Amino acid sequence: QVQLQESGPGLVKPSETLSLTCSVSGGSISRYDWGWIRQPPGKGLQFIGHIFSNGTTNYNPSLNSRGTISVDSANNQISLRLTSMTAADTAIYYCARGLVWSGYYYWGRGTLVTVSS
Amino acid sequence: QSALTQPASVSASPGQSITISCTGTSSDIGTYNFVSWYQKHPGKAPQLIIYEVTNRPSGVSRRFSGSKSGNTASLTISGLLTEDEADYHCSSYTNSDFPVFGGGTKVTVL
Repeated sequence: QVQLQESGPGLVKPSETLSLTCSVSGGSISRYDWGWIRQPPGKGLQFIGHIFSNGTTNYNPSLNSRGTISVDSANNQISLRLTSMTAADTAIYYCARGLVWSGYYYWGRGTLVTVSS
Repeated sequence: QSALTQPASVSASPGQSITISCTGTSSDIGTYNFVSWYQKHPGKAPQLIIYEVTNRPSGVSRRFSGSKSGNTASLTISGLLTEDEADYHCSSYTNSDFPVFGGGTKVTVL
């Protein structure tokens, strides 16, 4: 049974950097592709970025190169780093496993990140 | 890349069928057969219910079906159950090499 659990600070100040971790159980993470998706309050889902099993990444251009996704195979974790946070980045952040073109099959329950001073 | 367009809400009685539309452009739905649908209950993780326009993952009820015509994809839920009350999100791969999502549709079972 594959399970994903996001964790992070909950509250971030404007201009700071967000660091989130997705802990994966039930399988080796290095064999699969992983994505980060977020949902701002009252809005739809938004693709943040994706990391392929070969380490290649792609990101939503609307983030203006602020995002970095990495894999820590030793600890079975996927990380998201988002710099220069603003109120517009307030959202529930999800990690997911799947194919960027075909869909994400496994998701975490998400973690709420609020950007406020 | 603009978000896909979905109706904000759809409602119907138990046993009825509903169809949720998801409208995109020739840069996404119109070009790629990579449309997926997700069901999201409050406080729970999203669940993939349709991928590649028409395919259901293992374990997903046959009451859920997907289709596509031109720039518009559709999700049909037949024999509506109270447990189907949830938010539904569509997604499509795009010519910018990343997926775009719709705004989500709240399904209410009357």
